[in-house]
Parts: sequence; structure tokens; C-alpha cells
Amino acid sequence: KAGVTQTPRYLIKTRGQQVTLSCSPISGHRSVSWYQQTPGQGLQFLFEYFSETQRNKGNFPGRFSGRQFSNSRSEMNVSTLELGDSALYLCASSEPDRGGEKLFFGSGTQLSVL
Amino acid sequence: QQQVKQSPQSLIVQKGGIPIINCAYENTAFDYFPWYQQFPGKGPALLIAIRPDVSEKKEGRFTISFNKSAKQFSLHIMDSQPGDSATYFCAAGGTGKLIFGQGTTLQVKP
Repeated sequence: KAGVTQTPRYLIKTRGQQVTLSCSPISGHRSVSWYQQTPGQGLQFLFEYFSETQRNKGNFPGRFSGRQFSNSRSEMNVSTLELGDSALYLCASSEPDRGGEKLFFGSGTQLSVL
Repeated sequence: QQQVKQSPQSLIVQKGGIPIINCAYENTAFDYFPWYQQFPGKGPALLIAIRPDVSEKKEGRFTISFNKSAKQFSLHIMDSQPGDSATYFCAAGGTGKLIFGQGTTLQVKP
């Protein structure tokens, strides 16, 4: 099976812009989670989607949003970008009904906000 | 109650040594405790995981020790190799959400 695919791999944006990141989970996986990774804060949970519904949410401002499509592919959107949003954004999928367990991560999208 | 504290931040061992990484959690509702390994430029990969109903789990050279009463768990890497040099993350949680530790950078010297 192909792994979790995230696009784009790198992204450079300026403050105030918005950005959309894409994630294709492993075939058959219906749960998709998003994490933000920074050197200072480590891996922080953003949200989790299961069958097109947001099932869990972390402590991020409303500028961070996501959605999941019927084919389980997911997108994450960040509006009004701030310098502090520069990070590696990781998507992970897991087997049906496993939620946060046994996560398979993609290689991430490295976002730089200038 | 949502924190997972991981130590040490970095670790250097000689080949064949047994690095030990420790984690402590606060939320007693957590029922799943995985360890992830991350190489530069890659996403984290699941190494081994344990549930609170067992005190130890071994998979190959990797062992998790779990102390439910102390709310602590640790990763031991037996016969460590230079290829084990990576960043290791512990995590705790359950369905739909994992809380990660800050990570430990391990260097195994030849």
C-alpha cells in the first residue's frame, strides 16, 4: 500500500495570506489527524477527522481549520498567516475506528511564513 | 492534565549501549502509550506501543516499561546501533488524539 501523501512538500507564504495543505491517507484508512511540529513546541495535535466529521480538536485558534472528503482525503487551511505558524505540518492516518492509535504519518509540509 | 513530559532532551551512547528515555503523563484517562521514531526529513514512524494493562512489552531490540501507579513509561533500546540515531517521541492518549512528549535526540556513536 502507498503511504500517507502530503502536498506540497514545501511552501513559502507571507503574513496575512492563507494556505491550504493536502493529505491523502493510506487506502482504507478513514481517520485523518493533523499535527503541527516546531522545534520549540514539539508535536501538537490540531484536529482529527473520521468519516468527514471532526471528531477531536486541539487548542489552536479558529484560523486553523480542516475538512475531510468522502474519499477520506483531507485538507487543512490556515487563514491570516502569522510568523509563528511557520512549522512542519504532519498528517497521519489510522485504520478504521482506531482514531489516534497506530498513526501512520506522512513526511509533512514545511510551511515558512515570511 | 494534558501534558506528557519526556527526558532527557538529548542522549549520546556508544554502539551496543542501552539508551533509556523516560516519559511521565498526568491524565489517568490515557489508555494508549506509543513511541515514535523520526529521522530528518521524515514523519514519525510507530516503533512500539503499550496499553496500561501490561507492565512491559518487547519488540525486537525495543522494550517499553510501564508503571501505571507512577504514571510513567520508558523506552529501552537494546544493543543500540548507529542506525538508531534519530529523534524519539513518546505519546499518550486514546481514540482520536495523541499528546506527544517534546522528543529526545539520540546519537549512537560507532
